[in-house]
Amino acid sequence: SQQGEEDPQALSIQEGENATMNCSYKTSINNLQWYRQNSGRGLVHLILIRSNEREKHSGRLRVTLDTSKKSSSLLITASRAADTASYFCAAANQAGTALIFGKGTTLSVSS
Amino acid sequence: SQTIHQWPATLVQPVGSPLSLECTVEGTSNPNLYWYRQAAGRGLQLLFYSVGIGQISSEVPQNLSASRPQDRQFILSSKKLLLSDSGFYLCAWSVVLAEVNEQFFGPGTRLTVL
Repeated sequence: SQQGEEDPQALSIQEGENATMNCSYKTSINNLQWYRQNSGRGLVHLILIRSNEREKHSGRLRVTLDTSKKSSSLLITASRAADTASYFCAAANQAGTALIFGKGTTLSVSS
Repeated sequence: SQTIHQWPATLVQPVGSPLSLECTVEGTSNPNLYWYRQAAGRGLQLLFYSVGIGQISSEVPQNLSASRPQDRQFILSSKKLLLSDSGFYLCAWSVVLAEVNEQFFGPGTRLTVL
């Protein structure tokens, strides 16, 4: 069953704008992760935020986590055409042995 | 450094034929290994994971099976493919820690069943 659910499903913006993607999950977590997938390729890990963290930054990425609402957001600032990809959140299954991914948000950045 | 290989990159198979997809990891020992399937325009569905040689856990009942004959080798198989087995298959590995952590993905295999 789905652990993470992203919204929106699709997002189209212009270069230079910020992109915000949201993720909701169902069960208690130790950490939540965000991944990026270029079309037809494998996923690449972007950032991991632990359950005792509220915000984390990595370059132009900013991730927040609200464990009371079981939600997370990924903000990409000053987007570029190269940011065009699908973005997935992932959290551990109940056994804590594997990641369960959401359906992803497809981001299109036009120049 | 660690590397993960998957092959073949693309595969077209007739319904009812067998399947064998292979994944190998280099540069690490005793990794957790995972097989995912991604339908067109969809998220990833966890199929199998393995925490050690011969230890396979299945997340969903299906027409597929997995084996781990060696520490860094993970094989996805089917005796008879169905049309619904078409998809993008991804192998991944992670370091064994107390909590689920970062996963490293292979390039994927695009399977089309006709």
